[in-house]
Amino acid sequence: DTGVSQNPRHKITKRGQNVTFRCDPISEHNRLYWYRQTLGQGPEFLTYFQNEAQLEKSRLLSDRFSAERPKGSFSTLEIQRTEQGDSAMYLCASRGGWGRGLEAFFGQGTRLTVV
Amino acid sequence: KQEVTQIPAALSVPEGENLVLNCSFTDSAIYNLQWFRQDPGKGLTSLLLIQSSQREQTSGRLNASLDKSSGRSTLYIAASQPGDSATYLCAVRDESGAGSYQLTFGKGTKLSVIP
Repeated sequence: DTGVSQNPRHKITKRGQNVTFRCDPISEHNRLYWYRQTLGQGPEFLTYFQNEAQLEKSRLLSDRFSAERPKGSFSTLEIQRTEQGDSAMYLCASRGGWGRGLEAFFGQGTRLTVV
Repeated sequence: KQEVTQIPAALSVPEGENLVLNCSFTDSAIYNLQWFRQDPGKGLTSLLLIQSSQREQTSGRLNASLDKSSGRSTLYIAASQPGDSATYLCAVRDESGAGSYQLTFGKGTKLSVIP
């Protein structure tokens, strides 16, 4: 297993367009997270899946954002009607085990630029 | 609401020097603390995970300590090398509530090791 994989690595889109990102977690990990990071800031939590269930969503996740994890495997994050303020690095992380103690592993991120 | 602060924001040291990065958090009721490294434009690489019941963890030239009661952690890097140049991020997972599903990050310390 090569770790958490995110695609695409970079995305440039025009304002108002829809974009979709994909995350493939480490295969045995049942927990999956999406974070957003802007320049000079630490990552901010967006949403959390345990298996296929979306258990938590941040207030940062406006109605234009939607995330899915069908069958508890890969996950997608879609942003509709993109705005310039959506420009950021979108990071996916996964974690295994039944407790909360195990470490989280992050992917390389998808950098979104809205022009 | 949990808040994580990292001081200093940036640090420049000559190669070979030992150094300490600091992390503080406002709510001491944490489950664990994780240190990450981030290279420019890249994702996060996990360095060390400390459970709340532990005082320190070591990996190679890295040593992380945790003083849960005072809300502090330090990352000690011995014999620094130019390849250590990166941003170092500290993140905590709360014991309960909404913060128990996610990591709360600091803004990071940008380290430059000068050859």
